Amino acid sequence: GAGVSQSPRYKVAKRGQDVALRCDPISGHVSLFWYQQALGQGPEFLTYFQNEAQLDKSGLPSDRFFAERPEGSVSTLKIQRTQQEDSAVYLCASSLAGTALNTEAFFGQGTRLTVV
Amino acid sequence: QQQVKQSPQSLIVQKGGISIINCAYENTAFDYFPWYQQFPGKGPALLIAIRPDVSEKKEGRFTISFNKSAKQFSLHIMDSQPGDSATYFCAASLGGNEKLTFGTGTRLTIIP
Repeated sequence: GAGVSQSPRYKVAKRGQDVALRCDPISGHVSLFWYQQALGQGPEFLTYFQNEAQLDKSGLPSDRFFAERPEGSVSTLKIQRTQQEDSAVYLCASSLAGTALNTEAFFGQGTRLTVV
Repeated sequence: QQQVKQSPQSLIVQKGGISIINCAYENTAFDYFPWYQQFPGKGPALLIAIRPDVSEKKEGRFTISFNKSAKQFSLHIMDSQPGDSATYFCAASLGGNEKLTFGTGTRLTIIP
């Protein structure tokens, strides 16, 4: 595809339900990032992959959040037992190379999660 | 802990005017300072970025001014156009695009 693709675009979950959010990065991009954007706020870092290796998960807010990228391309962010405070837009971004080369990160349109 | 503070929260500028958005950071180890533009329903898109070894960078109508001693940087949009109406985020990171720390955003509206 031409850009970073995220699905679904919108997700409504009942409190306590598990959800899985998918990110298809730009083909060939090595680095993949997940961010959480609350309404009216800037994105906040969740986790970072270089190929299939999860190099930084310091931003994941609790052990209910889990991300994977098993084959170094598509990534899934899973949230277990969703809570109302999990309601936000979840953004995925990818970049061509490792961070040392300082290449631009391209963002997807995000998945808007609403927990009711 | 808010490591990047952004102001103003919202800004209205007349068409053709100069839009100025300011950011201040706390972590002196930050060495990459990008600005992102976000339209409703879209993800952020990189607009322009600067490293602290220069005090200014200009790309078309967009200029970043950087003051390392004051730990501040700003975005100037010259000849602002209605199409520039969007939310702008400053950000900072160590080394590049990894783990960006974003400001809270500025909603810019350009009026005719």
